[in-house]
Amino acid sequence: EDQVTQSPEALRLQEGESSSLNCSYTVSGLRGLFWYRQDPGKGPEFLFTLYSAGEEKEKERLKATLTKKESFLHITAPKPEDSATYLCAGISGSARQLTFGSGTQLTVLP
Amino acid sequence: GAGVSQSPSNKVTEKGKDVELRCDPISGHTALYWYRQSLGQGLEFLIYFQGNSAPDKSGLPSDRFSAERTGGSVSTLTIQRTQQEDSAVYLCASSLQNEQYFGPGTRLTVT
Repeated sequence: EDQVTQSPEALRLQEGESSSLNCSYTVSGLRGLFWYRQDPGKGPEFLFTLYSAGEEKEKERLKATLTKKESFLHITAPKPEDSATYLCAGISGSARQLTFGSGTQLTVLP
Repeated sequence: GAGVSQSPSNKVTEKGKDVELRCDPISGHTALYWYRQSLGQGLEFLIYFQGNSAPDKSGLPSDRFSAERTGGSVSTLTIQRTQQEDSAVYLCASSLQNEQYFGPGTRLTVT
């Protein structure tokens, strides 16, 4: 059974304090690893797709990386507006639906 | 361009009543998905439509749940005889390839 686990569940950072969020996965025949951002009361907002180990993608203060067993979302010099829940999801070779982790709730304090 | 839209944004219903939730996908997207997000839970897959193919209903939690997609575009998720455990945010997503784009969700509260 496909499984995605995110850690930590919650993370509080001071503005400018860089850190990383972890996503470990057990997905047979991984076809893609996705990162989403979700603000309270809104739907998930697509951030990145990673397809193969060693791949990296960047957007503003965010960088996503992928190894054979896990993905990291690195946040460099975060700002309060980066506060949100960050969701990781995998898609296996045979399925079309995403298998989501439970998310990391990030709070960046000014 | 316009994103995925869902209606209503909020729905409060009494236990035992039927509800219909609507999703308008991004124009041109061939795939449409329904997920459910309960308080403190991750997103749970419900059903998937791809073009004119038979839908993948493997995530529907009971036969009280059904969905249809008309004309390859708009989709309706129907929950019959609602129960309190059906209270959740119902999210719709559409995609053309692998990336799924989500709507704002419908918050369903069953009293």
